[in-house]
Amino acid sequence: GEDVEQSLFLSVREGDSSVINCTYTDSSSTYLYWYKQEPGAGLQLLTYIFSNMDMKQDQRLTVLLNKKDKHLSLRIADTQTGDSAIYFCAENPNTGTASKLTFGTGTRLQVTL
Amino acid sequence: GAGVSQSPSNKVTEKGKDVELRCDPISGHTALYWYRQSLGQGLEFLIYFQGNSAPDKSGLPSDRFSAERTGGSVSTLTIQRTQQEDSAVYLCASSLGWTGELFFGEGSRLTVL
Repeated sequence: GEDVEQSLFLSVREGDSSVINCTYTDSSSTYLYWYKQEPGAGLQLLTYIFSNMDMKQDQRLTVLLNKKDKHLSLRIADTQTGDSAIYFCAENPNTGTASKLTFGTGTRLQVTL
Repeated sequence: GAGVSQSPSNKVTEKGKDVELRCDPISGHTALYWYRQSLGQGLEFLIYFQGNSAPDKSGLPSDRFSAERTGGSVSTLTIQRTQQEDSAVYLCASSLGWTGELFFGEGSRLTVL
């Protein structure tokens, strides 16, 4: 079955790094995603990683994938107040076709001054 | 605008009434999804439409929930005989490609009194 788990809350100080973790159970997932939800808004794709990669970097964002442990993490360097949001990881177990994603419970990131 | 549009943005109804929620996907997107986001919960998949294929209704929580998509575009989610546990934000998303980038609307917040 498909089950994606995340911790519910993370608080960091502005300028520090944030690390948000996610575990998933479907080993057939070919893509894994991080979405961001700002208050009162829908989700927005932040970044994604293909399952044959173990790391992807995009400016302040670093995604690490450990397929053996089915563990995904998102690191945000130099965290800013504008990064305060809920972050969802998601998996897509199918290949070649658009299909439904399974989302985690979301991690609320609070950035303090 | 060019994004996913949902209406109404807020709906307050009495227990036992029927409600309809509407979603206008991005033009040309063949896939459309409905998710439900309850307070403190992650995103719960409800239903998925892909082109002319039969919809994947595996996430609908009961037979009080139904959805249709007319002409491969606009979708309506109908909840009959609403219950208080139906209170949630109902999110619609659409997608085109196989990378699984879903574009979300801002959601319809349903409150059942």
